Amino acid sequence: GAGVSQSPSNKVTEKGKDVELRCDPISGHTALYWYRQRLGQGLEFLIYFQGNSAPDKSGLPSDRFSAERTGESVSTLTIQRTQQEDSAVYLCASSLKGAPWEKLFFGSGTQLSVL
Amino acid sequence: GQQLNQSPQSMFIQEGEDVSMNCTSSSIFNTWLWYKQDPGEGPVLLIALYKAGELTSNGRLTAQFGITRKDSFLNISASIPSDVGIYFCAGQYWNTGNQFYFGTGTSLTVIP
Repeated sequence: GAGVSQSPSNKVTEKGKDVELRCDPISGHTALYWYRQRLGQGLEFLIYFQGNSAPDKSGLPSDRFSAERTGESVSTLTIQRTQQEDSAVYLCASSLKGAPWEKLFFGSGTQLSVL
Repeated sequence: GQQLNQSPQSMFIQEGEDVSMNCTSSSIFNTWLWYKQDPGEGPVLLIALYKAGELTSNGRLTAQFGITRKDSFLNISASIPSDVGIYFCAGQYWNTGNQFYFGTGTSLTVIP
């Protein structure tokens, strides 16, 4: 597609359930990032994928959070045993890696609400 | 994770006025990006800066990469109602993991 696509756009779940969030990056983009944005806050880095390199997981807040990426395409962010503090917008961004000219392009996000 | 200090936190201005906001970091960056986010949407890239001292314009928007590499400025001239939104800066330093660090945002309200 022309832009970064995220699904679902909204997800309501019960505390303790697992959720999967999906990101389709811009075709040809080698790098993919996940960010979390709490209400009224800035963007918090979660994880970064670049090609076949090991992902940078330094931003994942707990072992309940994990993410996978298939080659240079789709990525899935999984949150296990969701807690109310996980409620936030989860944003995915992709870029064509090639420092120093990198630019991030974002999807519209998934609004996660944990009841 | 690291966050950038962005100011002001919010601005209320009259249509037609100019706007200025800035972002500072305790670390140097190689790249500064400025984004605008509308409610319910992802951030949209406005301006990208890659060189200390660089001054770049995009229509009524002008951004500068600070000479110390620890700050950046965004100016909006002759504001219009559609400028309303939240503006974020983002910085990247190539040797520290490649992730972009984001500012806390500046909420802009334009009064017609």
